[in-house]
Amino acid sequence: AQSVTQPDIHITVSEGASLELRCNYSYGATPYLFWYVQSPGQGLQLLLKYFSGDTLVQGIKGFEAEFKRSQSSFNLRKPSVHWSDAAEYFCAVGYQAGTALIFGKGTTLSVSS
Amino acid sequence: DAGVTQSPTHLIKTRGQQVTLRCSPKSGHDTVSWYQQALGQGPQFIFQYYEEEERQRGNFPDRFSGHQFPNYSSELNVNALLLGDSALYLCASTPYRPGNTGELFFGEGSRLTVL
Repeated sequence: AQSVTQPDIHITVSEGASLELRCNYSYGATPYLFWYVQSPGQGLQLLLKYFSGDTLVQGIKGFEAEFKRSQSSFNLRKPSVHWSDAAEYFCAVGYQAGTALIFGKGTTLSVSS
Repeated sequence: DAGVTQSPTHLIKTRGQQVTLRCSPKSGHDTVSWYQQALGQGPQFIFQYYEEEERQRGNFPDRFSGHQFPNYSSELNVNALLLGDSALYLCASTPYRPGNTGELFFGEGSRLTVL
């Protein structure tokens, strides 16, 4: 069965420091991969996506992610974190465009000054 | 361009009652999915509607049902509410067409509290 693992439940990063959030998936073929962000009490906003092509994808708000097939990973990175980046981050995988997404349990990002 | 809109934003019910949540998809989108997000968890897929039919369903009991209308809007109905049904219910839409990259556009959700 397909699954998504986000090993880090909570991460605290100093403002201006770099960030990497981990995501591993379990699926036989190349899936559709997504990172979403959720602010408290809000819905989910798409940060970036990968379904083919260049394995390093750029998203909104200065985020990027790299797809590594050999490691079944799709880690999210940002070179310099801002206080406004504090939120919940979810990695998600789909096996076909338009079908159900499977989400990880999320990583809570706190930003310290 | 209006995004995905959901109503109501918050509601409180008691065990055994029934609830209906509503969703209007983003303009140009014809496929609607519903997700349940319990506190501290990621969203869990409930079902997806396209052309007024349920196309895919997650691991949820029959107490959870839905409907899609000709204008693509959708309803989620939950019968015989349990305490464990307390969650944020998210509606997401996407266009069903070639080249769709699979991303979902989410509404802000309906927060259901069951007492």
